[in-house]
Amino acid sequence: DIQMTQSPSSLSASVGDSVTITCRASQSLNNYLNWYQQKPGEAPKLLIYTASSLQSGVPSTFSGSGSGTDFTLTISSLQPEDFATYYCQQSYSPPFTFGPGTKVDI
Amino acid sequence: QVQLQESGPGLLKPSETLSLTCTVSDGSISHYYWSWIRQPPGKGLEYIGYIYNRGTTNYKPSLMSRVTISIDTSKSQFSLKLNSVTAADTAVYYCARGGQDDDRGRLDYWGQGALVTVSS
Repeated sequence: DIQMTQSPSSLSASVGDSVTITCRASQSLNNYLNWYQQKPGEAPKLLIYTASSLQSGVPSTFSGSGSGTDFTLTISSLQPEDFATYYCQQSYSPPFTFGPGTKVDI
Repeated sequence: QVQLQESGPGLLKPSETLSLTCTVSDGSISHYYWSWIRQPPGKGLEYIGYIYNRGTTNYKPSLMSRVTISIDTSKSQFSLKLNSVTAADTAVYYCARGGQDDDRGRLDYWGQGALVTVSS
């Protein structure tokens, strides 16, 4: 299996801040890297696919970048509804493993 | 907009078989990959496996001996069976829609999740 790591595991931020979450894979993903947001009691929601493509309906304050094994998710201006846990996931090679998550709170 | 809904028993005893069904609302089941993911309480997401239209499957190696994913296109449903469950299988189980051929693992629609508890 491809192993995924994320950093930090948690962070505290304020409304309006810009935050960056890093994801690293144990091998190159050919940009098949996705980002999800999960709020308590809810299913995950796809934000970014193939490293940098914004899923329909997702605010443009979310952006993704990276290639190979190293990727980042940036939230440019944190809104109250953005406080959640964020997961990266590789869709390059099954099983399509997830990172351990990054919790963003106030 | 496609909707997915998991259904099945929420409480099992150790050694029993977990059986969940996911119903897809819009008739697109023949054209996408369909996945199961689980999340133990308070923990992260674990990818279980996927199925495609004619029964092509792929499973997480550590679960392969116990898991079966099947599909019934006539009912717009796909299912998960996990044998010989233990307390470690207690989790919220999600079904989700994957992409098409070139990005099977991109999960753009999810069910609400079904909590399955394994306890004697």
